[in-house]
Amino acid sequence: DSGVTQTPKHLITATGQRVTLRCSPRSGDLSVYWYQQSLDQGLQFLIQYYNGEERAKGNILERFSAQQFPDLHSELNLSSLELGDSALYFCASSVGHGSGANVLTFGAGSRLTVL
Amino acid sequence: AQSVTQLDSQVPVFEEAPVELRCNYSSSVSVYLFWYVQYPNQGLQLLLKYLSGSTLVESINGFEAEFNKSQTSFHLRKPSVHISDTAEYFCAVSEGSQGNLIFGKGTKLSVKP
Repeated sequence: DSGVTQTPKHLITATGQRVTLRCSPRSGDLSVYWYQQSLDQGLQFLIQYYNGEERAKGNILERFSAQQFPDLHSELNLSSLELGDSALYFCASSVGHGSGANVLTFGAGSRLTVL
Repeated sequence: AQSVTQLDSQVPVFEEAPVELRCNYSSSVSVYLFWYVQYPNQGLQLLLKYLSGSTLVESINGFEAEFNKSQTSFHLRKPSVHISDTAEYFCAVSEGSQGNLIFGKGTKLSVKP
């Protein structure tokens, strides 16, 4: 157990729908990162939050949004889902934010299947 | 912009043989380098990291990687692999001012008896 908790583990939904993925960071970590893992694109960085504030943005679609709450958990919202959004979504956490020396700890992932 | 290239998508090897998984990165500034491992149906786990100091870094399960600045490489090696090393290995880089990691596309290591 890495200490990073992601729910749900599996999610099956239909095109056009909206889903929310949830992440609780490791105790003491203030930064949360979201990654998408798919067969064709590999691991893509989506977005990072630090203590409630957005810190960095990667290849996140406009249909996707995220936030980090005062208790430091984070949610990734995916809307108007398309078949191509089917992927494994990972959350990771770290203590700090701006230093590349931060080590990221990953959760087990949420597998999204869009039918 | 940073990028990471893992030159081999799949590496089959027999048990107890040596293995090298190759990783090259591109960055215009100083970097931090990582190897993560993903076992089937699991999340990513940190295997080893280079932050500063000695260019040769080791993991607790016998893997090692060497940071080579002139060749912009961070290849992962193990002198004798086990069946249990079968997994996908990801090389990642982050630059000094950023916390997020940029990953390579991964190398699937398959160890056969």
